[in-house]
This record gives sequence, structure tokens and C-alpha cells, in this order.
Amino acid sequence: ETGVTQTPRHLVMGMTNKKSLKCEQHLGHNAMYWYKQSAKKPLELMFVYSLEERVENNSVPSRFSPECPNSSHLFLHLHTLQPEDSALYLCASSLGRGYQETQYFGPGTRLLVL
Amino acid sequence: AQTVTQSQPEMSVQEAETVTLSCTYDTSESDYYLFWYKQPPSRQMILVIRQEAYKQQNATENRFSVNFQKAAKSFSLKISDSQLGDAAMYFCAYRRNNNDMRFGAGTRLTVKP
Repeated sequence: ETGVTQTPRHLVMGMTNKKSLKCEQHLGHNAMYWYKQSAKKPLELMFVYSLEERVENNSVPSRFSPECPNSSHLFLHLHTLQPEDSALYLCASSLGRGYQETQYFGPGTRLLVL
Repeated sequence: AQTVTQSQPEMSVQEAETVTLSCTYDTSESDYYLFWYKQPPSRQMILVIRQEAYKQQNATENRFSVNFQKAAKSFSLKISDSQLGDAAMYFCAYRRNNNDMRFGAGTRLTVKP
């Protein structure tokens, strides 16, 4: 369970705040992902990075801004969020982007936007 | 449109019994991968088992096995000899090519002692 870590585990923020979520993987993987998990809804892929380059952005609002400074770290910068953005945000990594690759998930950051 | 459907929001099983979780998916592809992930309460999501679509043999991992029916686009998970630690949300997922993984809405499994 320590292969992919996320901080903070819990975050409460106001709609005018700016905060960042951090993900770190210790598995030597080359691809990293951000997912949003809302209650009673399927996981939604937000961003995909492969070798530190963004390869996919699933029409995510600009108030979410990802950053991947190296293959081990992934950030999600948050600003002027809305209450409906409250959710569990999961980070995942995989060895490559191939569809056969298993994705390894972090514990998530539970975000509450007031 | 929903690609992966888990029709059972909640299931329960008696400890040591067997339970089957259902999953259907929609695709016109012939080559893809299917996954079952487990998310225990307040813990990380982990892979339980995966199946390559071009392999006819059903995948098994200890007490976990799948019933993969390609023509019916069905991918159910069977848990044998259920244990208290099996209690979790179970997510079925589908992935083709290098596109994003599509998850079902999940099934919450309760294990009764």
C-alpha cells in the first residue's frame, strides 16, 4: 500500500482558496493519473501523464490544473472550486500507458469544498 | 453512454460462503482488458484480478475467479470462502488500446460473520 502516496488525506477549502494535492509513486512507473471519485458514480479519469507529458485531459474545468515535474511526482492545483467538486481524488500510476498495464492507486485525498 | 455496468449496488454474503458480483460492458472491440478492483473502507484500491479478452480461459487468483463470457459481454467475479476482509467496494473496469480505463459504479460487498 505504500507504493503510491497522496497528501493531504483530507482537505477542506473555501471556494476562493488555492490548494494543491500531491501524489508520489515509488514504483518506478512512467505513467500517472488523476481520477475523481464521487459518491455512487463511476471513477472519472481527469488527467493522464506519460513520461511527464500530459497525454490526456478529459474536458476537466480549468480550475483544476495538473503538474508533473518528474515521473515520480504528480500535483493537482486547485483554485476557485465549486461545492460539486467535493469528492475523493485518486492518483494512480502504471509502468506504461499500455492497456494491459495494471494501475496502482493511492489512498486518495478526500476534498470538501464549502 | 455507460460503458461498464454493475447492476448490484450492494451485495452481502455469509462468511465462508460464495458470492458472485455481476459486470457487463459495452464494446465493439475484440481486444481489450477487463479488471476487478477492490476498495476497502478508507483504504487504497487494489487490483483483484484481470482478464485478457483474447484468452478464453477464465482468470483465477486464489479464492477469486471470473466468469468471462465474451459474446455476452459479461465479466462476473466469484469470491469463494468469503472472509471478513473481503468486505469492500468492488469495481469492474474495461480498457482498450491505450485509452482510459472505464469503471463501473461499484458494488458494495458486506460479509456477515
